[in-house]
Amino acid sequence: KAGVTQTPRYLIKTRGQQVTLSCSPISGHRSVSWYQQTPGQGLQFLFEYFSETQRNKGNFPGRFSGRQFSNSRSEMNVSTLELGDSALYLCASSLTGTGDNEQFFGPGTRLTVL
Amino acid sequence: AQKVTQAQTEISVVEKEDVTLDCVYETRDTTYYLFWYKQPPSGELVFLIRRNSFDEQNEISGRYSWNFQKSTSSFNFTITASQVVDSAVYFCALSVPVNDYKLSFGAGTTVTVRA
Repeated sequence: KAGVTQTPRYLIKTRGQQVTLSCSPISGHRSVSWYQQTPGQGLQFLFEYFSETQRNKGNFPGRFSGRQFSNSRSEMNVSTLELGDSALYLCASSLTGTGDNEQFFGPGTRLTVL
Repeated sequence: AQKVTQAQTEISVVEKEDVTLDCVYETRDTTYYLFWYKQPPSGELVFLIRRNSFDEQNEISGRYSWNFQKSTSSFNFTITASQVVDSAVYFCALSVPVNDYKLSFGAGTTVTVRA
């Protein structure tokens, strides 16, 4: 069974640009969550999608958005990039997103904003 | 509010030594789930264990063992006879139904095993 895949693995952007990251969950998994990891703030929850609906959202500005498609693939978008958005963005998939399902993480997308 | 504290920032041991990682959690919910993840240098978070609040049994999986104590709100992780491949950052995490099970992570403990 293929794991969670994320593309691209590395990105370099400049301030003010926008970026779209993609996540393909494990086959059959309907919940996709996104996390941001930085040295200063650690791992922080961005949002979670289930069956194409955003079910939960973390404390991030509106520049961070996402969506989920009917095949459960998810994208997240960051507009008007800031230097502080440089981070490892991790995507996690689970069957239903409930506590009795473990979340499996992808390898992440490392975003660098110059 | 939920909070996970991993007081140890870094631990360095020599191969074959045992290492214990501490995790203390805070939640008012009676139903909750605790997790440990390993993050090797490649960056991917690898799931190690999930434990729900109603199951206080300790668990052993090979060289890994976990000690869950509700009385002290702790969920500690021990690696026995450490190996160089155990070098990684280890995260403890908590999820509760009221937060739609989003994971709240501790700051992580970096384990370095020297040959």
